[in-house]
Amino acid sequence: IQLTQSPSSLSASVGDRVTITCRASQGISSYLAWYQQKPGKAPKLLISAASTLQSGVPSRFSGSGSGTDFTLTISSLQPEDFATYYCQQLNSYPYTFGQGTKLEIK
Amino acid sequence: EEELVESGGGLVKPGGSLRLSCTASRFPFSSYTMNWVRQAPGKGLEWVSSIRSSSTYIYYADSVKGRFTISRDNAKNSLYLQMNSLRAEDTAVYYCARASGCYDDSCNRFDFWGQGTLVTVSS
Repeated sequence: IQLTQSPSSLSASVGDRVTITCRASQGISSYLAWYQQKPGKAPKLLISAASTLQSGVPSRFSGSGSGTDFTLTISSLQPEDFATYYCQQLNSYPYTFGQGTKLEIK
Repeated sequence: EEELVESGGGLVKPGGSLRLSCTASRFPFSSYTMNWVRQAPGKGLEWVSSIRSSSTYIYYADSVKGRFTISRDNAKNSLYLQMNSLRAEDTAVYYCARASGCYDDSCNRFDFWGQGTLVTVSS
């Protein structure tokens, strides 16, 4: 199953609302997770099961979708949100990741 | 809090072998599907392999099938990745990660990750 994230990079300002999309090449129900990764660090789980916010993750992050189309939304960007974001499908093996979206400061 | 610590990375020549380890603490290791994920320098995340709690089911990415072997020792709370016939394109940071919310071949998340260990394949 291939995952296509868009955009691959995004420039935005603090306070902006941003949306990242992830499209699966076939249906994956809601077995989709979103991760945030900062340089030199391990990925951090943000959202699982397409829309369930991980404990401790700020409520400005939200996820939606099912089947083949998914979105990650950050309602009001904060300085600490500038990072790379990945989606991952865990519906069936081989598990796959999207290619990543690098969120940069405008 | 749960912890995963990888070790065993280093510099190895093409065609060589390396064994990575991941030691888990502060959670019931034997109850979880465990995974290896890698990231080549400047590139994205790539799932490598998964092993279910009792080692009955094991899965590999096509890119490593036949060369890498995943295993676990639940008594030692440890996960391993034996890497043989290494190639330059295997150069990456290797992370171990815990999967949770799993049913058959589907899981909901990789919820805890180690800090990673760097494998460099070069002559």
